[in-house]
Amino acid sequence: GAVVSQHPSRVICKSGTSVKIECRSLDFQATTMFWYRQFPKQSLMLMATSNEGSKATYEQGVEKDKFLINHASLTLSTLTVTSAHPEDSSFYICSASLDNQETQYFGPGTRLLVL
Amino acid sequence: DAKTTQPTSMDCAEGRAANLPCNHSTISGNEYVYWYRQIHSQGPQYIIHGLKNNETNEMASLIITEDRKSSTLILPHATLRDTAVYYCIVRLYNTDKLIFGTGTRLQVFP
Repeated sequence: GAVVSQHPSRVICKSGTSVKIECRSLDFQATTMFWYRQFPKQSLMLMATSNEGSKATYEQGVEKDKFLINHASLTLSTLTVTSAHPEDSSFYICSASLDNQETQYFGPGTRLLVL
Repeated sequence: DAKTTQPTSMDCAEGRAANLPCNHSTISGNEYVYWYRQIHSQGPQYIIHGLKNNETNEMASLIITEDRKSSTLILPHATLRDTAVYYCIVRLYNTDKLIFGTGTRLQVFP
């Protein structure tokens, strides 16, 4: 089956620092990757969609200068939370699909805690 | 907003079938119904999807009504490891987005 990994699985950082989260598709080439955020006891909220080689498309209300997304290859997308603050503490989850008509497969998630 | 409504929670005895309903009365003719589940503190796991025919795989069966306004996910023999939040999602037409609703929290008990 399709496997998506994320690194790191959890990270603690100080307020004001930047954190990079990696999302990799391990056994397929993902033309499209997605980034979600999930706060405790809430559902997943789509943050942005990224296509390999082009700029990400952000959902309304998501600051593109704060959440930098790079999808430089067909197997890797990165999300950088810049100048993180405690309110950015959340569970960040990526997903990947072969193309935009195919099933999305999710990574295991990255838990970010900003102190 | 999510285009689906699901019960907030359900219980099921281990070994019995778990039937999880979903209403999607505004679904369009070419929109798929997807089911995912999320076990605590993990990423969502794909279960099954369908358009209008019933579907079955090694994990579950998906029954879609003829008018496509509702569907039921069936786990034929629930185990304790099936305890999770189950999300029914209508994938928006001609886009790749999945909009998650609140899902159904299924508790399988011994």
